[in-house]
Order: sequence, then structure tokens, then C-alpha cells
Amino acid sequence: EEQLLESGGGLVQPGGSLRLSCAASGFTFSDYGMHWLRQIPGKGLEWVSTISGSGGSTYYANSVKGRFTISRDNSNNTLDLQMHTLRPEDTATYYCAKGRQWLLPLGQNWFDPWGQGTLVTVSS
Amino acid sequence: QSVLTQSPSASGTPGQRVTISCSGSNSNIGNNAVYWYQQVPGTAPKLLIYRNNQRPSGVPDRFSGSRSGTSASLAISGLRSEDEGDYYCAMWDDRLNGWVFGGGTILTVV
Repeated sequence: EEQLLESGGGLVQPGGSLRLSCAASGFTFSDYGMHWLRQIPGKGLEWVSTISGSGGSTYYANSVKGRFTISRDNSNNTLDLQMHTLRPEDTATYYCAKGRQWLLPLGQNWFDPWGQGTLVTVSS
Repeated sequence: QSVLTQSPSASGTPGQRVTISCSGSNSNIGNNAVYWYQQVPGTAPKLLIYRNNQRPSGVPDRFSGSRSGTSASLAISGLRSEDEGDYYCAMWDDRLNGWVFGGGTILTVV
């Protein structure tokens, strides 16, 4: 069974940093693109970032570009999201999700399955 | 404000057929595949429909998707109480160069 388990969420002050991790199991991790998405409490979903199976290609939403960095360790089957210069509007539950085996074309990708999420709260 | 427009709520009685709509533009629905996600309260989203009208294994054929022009629809027939939850349309947007989601539709089975 494919499983994703996020960790690393918590309370951080505005301007601070946080690193999220996602442990994957049940599939050949390096074969698949991976994604980070988020959901503001009680609100809708927002795509955050995507990385190819090799880690050589990365993509970011405009709202996080230059502040967040996605990376992966295929030897340990983990996906990370390093977040800097955090803002109150970054407060959300962050989910990692598995993509298609072939990342391109990007528009043909999906998010399946999703992890259970980890809550990030940016507040003073 | 979402790039994709969904009606905020929908409802039906058990056994009924309901339709959830998603309206966009040429840069998203008009030129890219549509995906639908279901989120039961307190759980993570789940892929329901991919590439406009394809169901992942395990998704009942009560769920069907369609796309026409710059609009898309999710139909649920034989409505069941466990179908209650939030439904989101999603796709790539060529202008924004990223994935976009609709605001979500809350489905209630009364």
C-alpha cells in the first residue's frame, strides 16, 4: 500500500523558517514526481511545489517562489520542503502527494495519494 | 478568489443524482485535463477523476466526469451518505504556470 507521512509542522514566528519532511513507502519513490500542496484551515486547496523523480526539475507556485525549496532523497525515500521568510498567510496544513511516473507534460499530472498533512502556524 | 469557479454547495437525497460544476477559462479548462478530488471531513483529499473522465481503480462508477469548452462537471449518481464532503476541481493553468483549484463544493446528503 502506498503511504505518505508528513512531519515537521509547528508554530513559527513571522520571518522564521521551518523544514517539512514526507516519508514515502509502498512504491518505487525515485520513479515518481512528488508534490507539496497546502490547505488554509477551513479553506480550499493550493498547489505549492513539485519535483521530478530524479530531483533535477523543480516547480513553485508564485506565492512561495524564492522562499521555499523542495528537495528529495531517493536513497531514503523522503521528500522535503524548506520554508524561509514565513508569513502569516503561509499558515496551513501542508500535504505531500505522489504524482505520475512521468512528470511531463505537467498538465497531465495528478496528486494521488496524499499524506495526512502537517499543520504549520505562522504567528507571533 | 479562485481562478476556477465552483458553486459553494450542493445537496441531494440518497439515491439521487447530483452534478457539481467547475467553470474556468481557455488557459485552464479550455486547454488542459480536468481532475476532481474528494475530501471527506477530517481526512486528506482523494483523487476521484483524472484526465476529465477517468476513474482510478477503487472509485465507483457512480462518479463520472465531463468537460466541455471552459466548463467541467462531476456527476454523482445513486447518492450515498458517505459521499458527503468537499469536492474540488483542479488542473494546470497555462497563464499562471501552475496548478489551480476550484474553491470547492460542499456536498450534503439530506
